[in-house]
Amino acid sequence: QVQLVESGGGLVKPGGSLRLSCAASGFTFSDYYMSWIRQAPGKGLEWVSYISSSGSTIYYADSVKGRFTISRDNAKNSLYLQMNSLRAEDTAVYYCARGAGYYRGWGQGTLVTVSS
Amino acid sequence: DIQMTQSPSSLSASVGDRVTITCQASQDISNYLNWYQQKPGKAPKLLIYDASNLETGVPSRFSGSGSGTDFTFTISSLQPEDIATYYCQQYDNLPRTFGPGTKVDIK
Repeated sequence: QVQLVESGGGLVKPGGSLRLSCAASGFTFSDYYMSWIRQAPGKGLEWVSYISSSGSTIYYADSVKGRFTISRDNAKNSLYLQMNSLRAEDTAVYYCARGAGYYRGWGQGTLVTVSS
Repeated sequence: DIQMTQSPSSLSASVGDRVTITCQASQDISNYLNWYQQKPGKAPKLLIYDASNLETGVPSRFSGSGSGTDFTFTISSLQPEDIATYYCQQYDNLPRTFGPGTKVDIK
């Protein structure tokens, strides 16, 4: 079955950077669009970005455009999110999810805390 | 951006009750509407896709309907394991947007 495992979260100061990873298994990773979705503590879900199966098509939420970069390595069955110029409002659990329309498979999430 | 609203924001019902949640989109999204269940401390889980299609393995007491701007999610007979927050989500347009969630608990 679909298994997604995120890593790379942690505590970072405002203006800092962090790179999240998502290791996929249980399906043919290279066949699927992938997405990042986040959830601030006690809040709802916010879509962050998606990338096409080949990596040629990418979209971002306005709130992260120019600061975050999504990428993937199909040979390693891995999805990434490079986060730069982090702000307090980026504090959230970040989930990777399979799909770009509906999300059929989610990781357990990794917590990113931006605080001085 | 397409705004998604849900009502109620929370509800309390008895085991066996029929529970209905509504979701409204700020513009026509056809049937590009999904429903997720999120239990505390867990990742969301897809229950219904394309407004009315039950995800494989999801109990048949869950159902969805609607198109255009107005959608309904129903639990026909509430079970203790259904305690969770439920979110609608549209994918007609970018950015993908979620409703604010409906928290369901047992009376």
